[in-house]
Amino acid sequence: AQRVTQPEKLLSVFKGAPVELKCNYSYSGSPELFWYVQYSRQRLQLLLRHISRESIKGFTADLNKGETSFHLKKPFAQEEDSAMYYCALSGGGGSNYKLTFGKGTLLTVNP
Amino acid sequence: GAVVSQHPSWVICKSGTSVKIECRSLDFQATTMFWYRQFPKQSLMLMATSNEGSKATYEQGVEKDKFLINHASLTLSTLTVTSAHPEDSSFYICSAAKPSIPYEQYFGPGTRLTVT
Repeated sequence: AQRVTQPEKLLSVFKGAPVELKCNYSYSGSPELFWYVQYSRQRLQLLLRHISRESIKGFTADLNKGETSFHLKKPFAQEEDSAMYYCALSGGGGSNYKLTFGKGTLLTVNP
Repeated sequence: GAVVSQHPSWVICKSGTSVKIECRSLDFQATTMFWYRQFPKQSLMLMATSNEGSKATYEQGVEKDKFLINHASLTLSTLTVTSAHPEDSSFYICSAAKPSIPYEQYFGPGTRLTVT
C-alpha cells in the first residue's frame, strides 16, 4: 500500500524566513513524488515533481530514498506563498497511474 | 495550457434524489480522468479512475452503485450521486490526465454538494 504523511497541519513563518514542509512516504517500489499547491479559492495545481529536479517559485524538493522523504523547501518565504500544500505519490505505470495525497499543510507567511 | 472545468460549481439537493456532476477537459483529450472527494479541512481521497470507453475502477470502500461514473468521450466524465444522503455532502474534485511527457493531471475547480 502507498501512503503519504505530512506531519504538520499548520506551519506559520515570517516573511523572509526559511520554510520546510515535511513529507514522508511509504511505497514498496520506485515512486514518483509531487508537490501540489492550492491557493485560497483556487484549484489544485502542480508545483513540482521530483523527476524534473527544478525550482519553481523558489521552492525545491529532493527525493531522499533512504529516509523516504520529499521535503519542500524555500530559503526565503514570501507572503504570496501562503497556501495549502499537498505532497502526493504515484506508483507510476503510464497514463493510468493514480495519486495518493497527504493530508496537507497549511502554510501561512506573516508580514 | 490545460484547463479542466466542472459543472455545477455547487449544488443543493434533497435527500433521496440524484445529482450529476460533469468534468470536462477543455483543450485536450483525456483518456483517463479521476474523481476525488474532499471533506472539510482534509485531504483528497481518490474515489475512482474513469477510463474513456470502459468501466470505471473504484477504490476500496467506494460504492459503485451509489457513485456512477460515465466517461463517454475523451473530454467528458460524469459522476452521478444516486439516492443522495446528507453524509454524501462533500467537495468533489475531478482531474484529467493529459497525455504528455512528463505525464500530468490537471484538476478541476471542484463541486460543492450539499444534501438536505
